[in-house]
Amino acid sequence: EPEVTQTPSHQVTQMGQEVILRCVPISNHLYFYWYRQILGQKVEFLVSFYNNEISEKSEIFDDQFSVERPDGSNFTLKIRSTKLEDSAMYFCASSRTALTEAFFGQGTRLTVV
Amino acid sequence: LAKTTQPISMDSYEGQEVNITCSHNNIATNDYITWYQQFPSQGPRFIIQGYKTKVTNEVASLFIPADRKSSTLSLPRVSLSDTAVYYCLVGDFIKAAGNKLTFGGGTRVLVKP
Repeated sequence: EPEVTQTPSHQVTQMGQEVILRCVPISNHLYFYWYRQILGQKVEFLVSFYNNEISEKSEIFDDQFSVERPDGSNFTLKIRSTKLEDSAMYFCASSRTALTEAFFGQGTRLTVV
Repeated sequence: LAKTTQPISMDSYEGQEVNITCSHNNIATNDYITWYQQFPSQGPRFIIQGYKTKVTNEVASLFIPADRKSSTLSLPRVSLSDTAVYYCLVGDFIKAAGNKLTFGGGTRVLVKP
């Protein structure tokens, strides 16, 4: 069964550093998403991406965050100047169309120290 | 987006049927009802989606009464591996620019031996 893969599974970074979280969506999917889940809290939408541009973003997704699809297979989330409160599980997801279900990856646990 | 209310937690035993009811009194005409499952340290996984009446797949059934103000996810003959958090989501997936999902707190289901 095709799946969304994310790397790394766990990333530890120092406050103020930049991190790039990587995702390989399912190959025939056209819509890509990032979500995050702070420990013990809800899964929160960050951003959706379609046709090489952001289609929607949440209030969380401020100038500190950016997304990119650098090639035909990868989808990345960059967090500049990380803060302690950025520590969370970050999930990448993809869907074939806007109407079909989203498939989530296993997540990257980001720990900012 | 319609607000959803579901029980915080439920306990069950192996082999039993688990029914989780979600209230969504302000559901709009174009809204669909979707359920996701999340295991610890994993991304959410799509279970089932419906608009009205009953939908069944290999994993679960979804019952939606005529007024659509609530829905019930039914998991037949649960096993220990069904222990997870189950999320009820309501949204206009037709108009959504991509599949932005708004997760609530979910229902933590614990299946006991």
